[in-house]
Amino acid sequence: SQTIHQWPATLVQPVGSPLSLECTVEGTSNPNLYWYRQAAGRGLQLLFYSVGIGQISSEVPQNLSASRPQDRQFILSSKKLLLSDSGFYLCAWSADRNTEAFFGQGTRLTVV
Amino acid sequence: GQSLEQPSEVTAVEGAIVQINCTYQTSGFYGLSWYQQHDGGAPTFLSYNALDGLEETGRFSSFLSRSDSYGYLLLQELQMKDSASYFCAVRSTDSWGKFQFGAGTQVVVTP
Repeated sequence: SQTIHQWPATLVQPVGSPLSLECTVEGTSNPNLYWYRQAAGRGLQLLFYSVGIGQISSEVPQNLSASRPQDRQFILSSKKLLLSDSGFYLCAWSADRNTEAFFGQGTRLTVV
Repeated sequence: GQSLEQPSEVTAVEGAIVQINCTYQTSGFYGLSWYQQHDGGAPTFLSYNALDGLEETGRFSSFLSRSDSYGYLLLQELQMKDSASYFCAVRSTDSWGKFQFGAGTQVVVTP
């Protein structure tokens, strides 16, 4: 069966510090991968999505970046965090042409 | 592009029926999906409509009308545990096939 792992679960970082959130998927190959951000009580904002290694599309201009060094690994990074980067970050995957997205448990990031 | 609109909040009592509407604008999509998210948790898949009509899964049903660019999620026999946010979502038919979610509807179930 397929599983998705996302870590860490919570993170408190000072303004200006770097960020690296990792997401890995097991039990499938060539998944479509997504990073979403959710502010408290709000909807899911699509940040990045990838259909394969080296194929990443950014939805929203910001100081975040994403990389996909391996087929089932998706990394969200920042060189210098802003207060506005605080939020709940969710990684998700879906199979090609499938209808369902599976989410990791999320990372609650607080920038102080 | 794609946009999905749904009400921000719905309140109902236990045992009642709640309908969450979703209207969308999209250039092309595979179908309409619904997800549930409890506070602090990750969204989980509830249902999917590829074709027009009603799909029933236990107490939850979902409906799609492509001609009206409209769908809804029906929650029946509401229980306290149904208090959560509900999101409609579409997956585009372009080469990227990205998922886009609505802003979510907070369902509050009261005793």
